[in-house]
Amino acid sequence: DTEVTQTPKHLVMGMTNKKSLKCEQHMGHRAMYWYKQKAKKPPELMFVYSYEKLSINESVPSRFSPECPNSSLLNLHLHALQPEDSALYLCASSQAGTGRGEAFFGQGTRLTVV
Amino acid sequence: GESVGLHLPTLSVQEGDNSIINCAYSNSASDYFIWYKQESGKGPQFIIDIRSNMDKRQGQRVTVLLNKTVKHLSLQIAATQPGDSAVYFCAENRGGSNYKLTFGKGTLLTVNP
Repeated sequence: DTEVTQTPKHLVMGMTNKKSLKCEQHMGHRAMYWYKQKAKKPPELMFVYSYEKLSINESVPSRFSPECPNSSLLNLHLHALQPEDSALYLCASSQAGTGRGEAFFGQGTRLTVV
Repeated sequence: GESVGLHLPTLSVQEGDNSIINCAYSNSASDYFIWYKQESGKGPQFIIDIRSNMDKRQGQRVTVLLNKTVKHLSLQIAATQPGDSAVYFCAENRGGSNYKLTFGKGTLLTVNP
Protein backbone atom coordinates (compact mmCIF):
# COMPACT_ATOMS: atom_id res chain seq x y z
CA ASP A 1 0.00 0.00 0.00
CA THR A 2 1.72 3.19 -1.19
CA GLU A 3 -1.18 5.51 -0.58
CA VAL A 4 -1.60 8.56 1.57
CA THR A 5 -5.30 9.03 2.25
CA GLN A 6 -6.72 12.43 3.08
CA THR A 7 -10.21 13.22 4.28
CA PRO A 8 -12.34 15.04 3.49
CA LYS A 9 -11.61 15.74 -0.17
CA HIS A 10 -13.53 19.00 -0.05
CA LEU A 11 -14.41 21.22 2.90
CA VAL A 12 -16.31 24.49 3.13
CA MET A 13 -16.17 26.22 6.49
CA GLY A 14 -17.13 29.53 8.00
CA MET A 15 -14.65 31.79 9.72
CA THR A 16 -16.00 30.87 13.15
CA ASN A 17 -16.01 27.11 12.58
CA LYS A 18 -13.66 24.49 13.93
CA LYS A 19 -12.79 21.64 11.61
CA SER A 20 -10.08 19.03 11.20
CA LEU A 21 -8.27 17.57 8.22
CA LYS A 22 -7.12 13.98 8.47
CA CYS A 23 -4.30 12.06 6.85
CA GLU A 24 -3.41 8.39 7.08
CA GLN A 25 -0.62 6.21 5.71
CA HIS A 26 0.34 2.59 6.30
CA MET A 27 3.77 2.52 4.68
CA GLY A 28 5.62 2.61 8.00
CA HIS A 29 6.87 6.11 7.29
CA ARG A 30 7.92 8.00 10.40
CA ALA A 31 8.00 11.46 8.79
CA MET A 32 4.76 13.21 7.88
CA TYR A 33 4.12 16.64 6.44
CA TRP A 34 1.49 19.27 5.82
CA TYR A 35 1.78 21.49 2.75
CA LYS A 36 -0.46 24.30 1.54
CA GLN A 37 -0.96 24.91 -2.16
CA LYS A 38 -2.70 27.91 -3.66
CA ALA A 39 -4.01 27.78 -7.22
CA LYS A 40 -1.27 27.76 -9.87
CA LYS A 41 1.42 27.92 -7.16
CA PRO A 42 3.86 25.35 -5.80
CA PRO A 43 3.20 23.58 -2.49
CA GLU A 44 4.54 25.37 0.56
CA LEU A 45 5.69 23.49 3.62
CA MET A 46 3.76 24.11 6.82
CA PHE A 47 4.73 21.40 9.32
CA VAL A 48 7.01 18.37 9.59
CA TYR A 49 6.56 15.55 12.09
CA SER A 50 9.40 13.13 12.67
CA TYR A 51 8.76 10.08 14.88
CA GLU A 52 5.48 11.64 15.99
CA LYS A 53 7.16 14.82 17.22
CA LEU A 54 6.85 18.22 15.61
CA SER A 55 10.26 19.01 14.12
CA ILE A 56 9.51 21.92 11.77
CA ASN A 57 6.91 24.68 11.98
CA GLU A 58 7.32 27.12 9.12
CA SER A 59 5.96 30.06 11.12
CA VAL A 60 2.39 28.95 10.51
CA PRO A 61 -0.34 31.00 12.25
CA SER A 62 -1.74 29.42 15.40
CA ARG A 63 -5.17 29.04 13.80
CA PHE A 64 -3.60 25.94 12.22
CA SER A 65 -2.81 23.30 14.82
CA PRO A 66 -1.19 20.01 13.78
CA GLU A 67 -1.42 16.77 15.69
CA CYS A 68 0.21 13.38 15.19
CA PRO A 69 -1.69 10.85 17.35
CA ASN A 70 0.38 7.88 16.15
CA SER A 71 2.82 6.91 13.44
CA SER A 72 0.06 6.40 10.84
CA LEU A 73 -2.11 9.44 11.43
CA LEU A 74 -1.70 13.17 11.01
CA ASN A 75 -4.36 15.78 11.71
CA LEU A 76 -4.61 19.48 11.02
CA HIS A 77 -7.03 21.30 13.28
CA LEU A 78 -8.50 24.50 11.89
CA HIS A 79 -10.03 27.31 13.89
CA ALA A 80 -10.99 30.90 13.05
CA LEU A 81 -9.62 30.72 9.54
CA GLN A 82 -9.64 33.58 7.06
CA PRO A 83 -10.82 33.51 3.44
CA GLU A 84 -7.18 33.77 2.32
CA ASP A 85 -6.57 30.38 3.95
CA SER A 86 -8.62 28.80 1.18
CA ALA A 87 -6.27 26.41 -0.60
CA LEU A 88 -5.43 22.78 -1.29
CA TYR A 89 -3.93 21.19 1.82
CA LEU A 90 -1.60 18.32 1.06
CA CYS A 91 -0.35 15.66 3.41
CA ALA A 92 2.80 13.69 2.63
CA SER A 93 4.90 11.00 4.23
CA SER A 94 8.41 9.63 3.80
CA GLN A 95 11.04 7.62 5.56
CA ALA A 96 12.55 9.64 8.39
CA GLY A 97 16.17 10.40 9.02
CA THR A 98 17.50 9.96 5.49
CA GLY A 99 16.99 13.33 3.85
CA ARG A 100 16.13 11.62 0.59
CA GLY A 101 13.79 9.16 -0.92
CA GLU A 102 10.33 9.38 -2.22
CA ALA A 103 7.78 11.51 -0.41
CA PHE A 104 4.28 10.26 -1.08
CA PHE A 105 1.55 12.87 -1.30
CA GLY A 106 -2.15 12.48 -0.76
CA GLN A 107 -4.69 13.96 -3.15
CA GLY A 108 -5.28 16.85 -0.80
CA THR A 109 -8.24 18.53 0.87
CA ARG A 110 -9.69 21.44 -1.08
CA LEU A 111 -10.58 23.96 1.63
CA THR A 112 -12.84 26.95 1.09
CA VAL A 113 -13.28 29.46 3.90
CA VAL A 114 -16.39 31.63 3.59
CA GLY B 1 16.04 35.34 -0.96
CA GLU B 2 17.11 31.87 -1.98
CA SER B 3 14.69 30.08 -4.24
CA VAL B 4 14.16 27.39 -6.78
CA GLY B 5 12.58 28.69 -9.99
CA LEU B 6 11.76 27.71 -13.54
CA HIS B 7 12.58 29.39 -16.83
CA LEU B 8 9.43 28.39 -18.74
CA PRO B 9 5.95 28.38 -17.25
CA THR B 10 4.43 26.41 -20.16
CA LEU B 11 5.71 23.87 -22.63
CA SER B 12 3.75 22.34 -25.49
CA VAL B 13 5.11 19.33 -27.39
CA GLN B 14 3.91 16.79 -29.91
CA GLU B 15 3.35 13.22 -28.83
CA GLY B 16 6.50 11.21 -29.39
CA ASP B 17 8.84 14.19 -29.11
CA ASN B 18 11.33 14.60 -26.30
CA SER B 19 10.58 17.22 -23.63
CA ILE B 20 13.03 19.24 -21.61
CA ILE B 21 11.92 21.12 -18.53
CA ASN B 22 14.41 23.47 -16.92
CA CYS B 23 14.89 24.80 -13.42
CA ALA B 24 17.31 27.29 -11.87
CA TYR B 25 18.20 27.22 -8.22
CA SER B 26 20.20 29.53 -6.00
CA ASN B 27 20.81 27.49 -2.83
CA SER B 28 24.04 25.53 -3.16
CA ALA B 29 23.60 23.75 0.16
CA SER B 30 20.78 21.41 -0.86
CA ASP B 31 21.42 17.70 -0.52
CA TYR B 32 18.96 16.44 -3.12
CA PHE B 33 17.05 17.83 -6.05
CA ILE B 34 13.79 16.21 -6.97
CA TRP B 35 11.27 16.37 -9.79
CA TYR B 36 7.56 15.99 -9.09
CA LYS B 37 4.63 15.66 -11.47
CA GLN B 38 1.22 16.99 -10.49
CA GLU B 39 -1.82 16.10 -12.54
CA SER B 40 -5.00 18.08 -12.24
CA GLY B 41 -6.86 17.25 -9.02
CA LYS B 42 -4.04 15.14 -7.62
CA GLY B 43 -1.15 15.53 -5.24
CA PRO B 44 2.44 15.73 -6.49
CA GLN B 45 3.97 12.44 -7.60
CA PHE B 46 7.69 11.72 -7.25
CA ILE B 47 9.46 11.22 -10.58
CA ILE B 48 13.17 11.12 -9.91
CA ASP B 49 15.76 12.66 -7.64
CA ILE B 50 19.46 13.37 -7.87
CA ARG B 51 22.00 13.84 -5.14
CA SER B 52 24.00 17.04 -5.17
CA ASN B 53 27.28 15.18 -5.85
CA MET B 54 25.95 13.70 -9.11
CA ASP B 55 25.45 15.33 -12.50
CA LYS B 56 23.15 12.85 -14.21
CA ARG B 57 20.63 10.21 -13.28
CA GLN B 58 18.38 8.15 -15.50
CA GLY B 59 15.06 6.55 -14.84
CA GLN B 60 12.41 5.03 -17.03
CA ARG B 61 12.01 7.50 -19.96
CA VAL B 62 13.31 10.32 -17.75
CA THR B 63 16.75 11.78 -17.18
CA VAL B 64 17.68 14.46 -14.69
CA LEU B 65 20.75 16.60 -15.25
CA LEU B 66 22.37 18.75 -12.59
CA ASN B 67 24.83 21.49 -13.48
CA LYS B 68 26.17 22.90 -10.25
CA THR B 69 28.40 25.40 -12.01
CA VAL B 70 25.43 27.35 -13.32
CA LYS B 71 22.95 26.07 -10.70
CA HIS B 72 20.70 24.49 -13.28
CA LEU B 73 18.52 21.40 -13.14
CA SER B 74 16.67 19.82 -16.03
CA LEU B 75 14.24 16.98 -16.60
CA GLN B 76 14.25 15.23 -19.94
CA ILE B 77 11.27 13.08 -20.89
CA ALA B 78 11.79 10.77 -23.84
CA ALA B 79 8.97 9.95 -26.28
CA THR B 80 6.49 12.19 -24.49
CA GLN B 81 3.00 10.74 -24.18
CA PRO B 82 -0.38 12.40 -23.55
CA GLY B 83 -0.30 10.94 -20.04
CA ASP B 84 2.75 13.07 -19.35
CA SER B 85 0.62 16.22 -19.51
CA ALA B 86 0.84 17.79 -16.06
CA VAL B 87 2.57 20.48 -14.04
CA TYR B 88 6.17 19.60 -13.27
CA PHE B 89 7.89 20.99 -10.20
CA CYS B 90 11.53 20.90 -9.34
CA ALA B 91 12.21 20.84 -5.63
CA GLU B 92 15.20 20.82 -3.38
CA ASN B 93 15.64 19.20 -0.02
CA ARG B 94 17.30 21.63 2.32
CA GLY B 95 16.44 19.83 5.49
CA GLY B 96 19.23 17.32 5.89
CA SER B 97 17.72 14.38 7.70
CA ASN B 98 14.37 16.10 7.61
CA TYR B 99 12.74 15.87 4.23
CA LYS B 100 12.09 19.61 3.90
CA LEU B 101 11.10 20.34 0.34
CA THR B 102 11.18 23.75 -1.29
CA PHE B 103 9.35 23.71 -4.61
CA GLY B 104 10.01 25.79 -7.70
CA LYS B 105 7.27 27.59 -9.60
CA GLY B 106 6.22 24.76 -11.89
CA THR B 107 5.99 24.18 -15.65
CA LEU B 108 2.78 23.14 -17.35
CA LEU B 109 3.57 20.47 -19.96
CA THR B 110 0.93 19.92 -22.62
CA VAL B 111 1.34 16.98 -24.99
CA ASN B 112 -0.55 17.28 -28.26
CA PRO B 113 -1.65 14.03 -29.94
